[in-house]
Amino acid sequence: DAKTTQPPSMDCAEGRAANLPCNHSTISGNEYVYWYRQIHSQGPQYIIHGLKNNETNEMASLIITEDRKSSTLILPHATLRDTAVYYCIVFNRGSRLTFGEGTQLTVNP
Amino acid sequence: SQTIHQWPATLVQPVGSPLSLECTVEGTSNPNLYWYRQAAGRGLQLLFYSVGIGQISSEVPQNLSASRPQDRQFILSSKKLLLSDSGFYLCAATTSYTDTQYFGPGTRLTVL
Repeated sequence: DAKTTQPPSMDCAEGRAANLPCNHSTISGNEYVYWYRQIHSQGPQYIIHGLKNNETNEMASLIITEDRKSSTLILPHATLRDTAVYYCIVFNRGSRLTFGEGTQLTVNP
Repeated sequence: SQTIHQWPATLVQPVGSPLSLECTVEGTSNPNLYWYRQAAGRGLQLLFYSVGIGQISSEVPQNLSASRPQDRQFILSSKKLLLSDSGFYLCAATTSYTDTQYFGPGTRLTVL
């Protein structure tokens, strides 16, 4: 599975959009981009996933570049409860899920 | 939508004692089930996965074992715990119509 690179930490003001980047330059054609987040001492929470088209759901939007080498998770109006570690993962469906270090997002009041 | 239950939520056990962690899934049938361990830090290690009753695949050699006695029940066990077994144990499941893995709330195990 392709490796991902994320900044270790980011800050965002409450009510503003949080844009979390992820690089996955070695992604292959059949690998999906998945995003999870983990609030301290809780199980990871699925956020969104995509293959090559941009995706949006009730939690977030996922923007994937045309060459698929990077993506951005957008939380449109961050709240204090969005403070968590965010994981960007690329993998083939059915293969093992591997979490990297992720990005610690801190939403400040 | 599916719901994944895990218990206990926290557990403190002495070295050499047995272990049994349970995971049950509601809201879907014939899920693929997974046991992960998350040690200090953030990495997630896949321990076992199961595609059906009685079918267990082990990813990492260790003193842990897993069983799936029912379609939506997955159990993680050990006969004798080691200090290195401490960690956050997560159960995950995929539904019958998607490969997206959903996680349970986890069990925090401390071996003393």
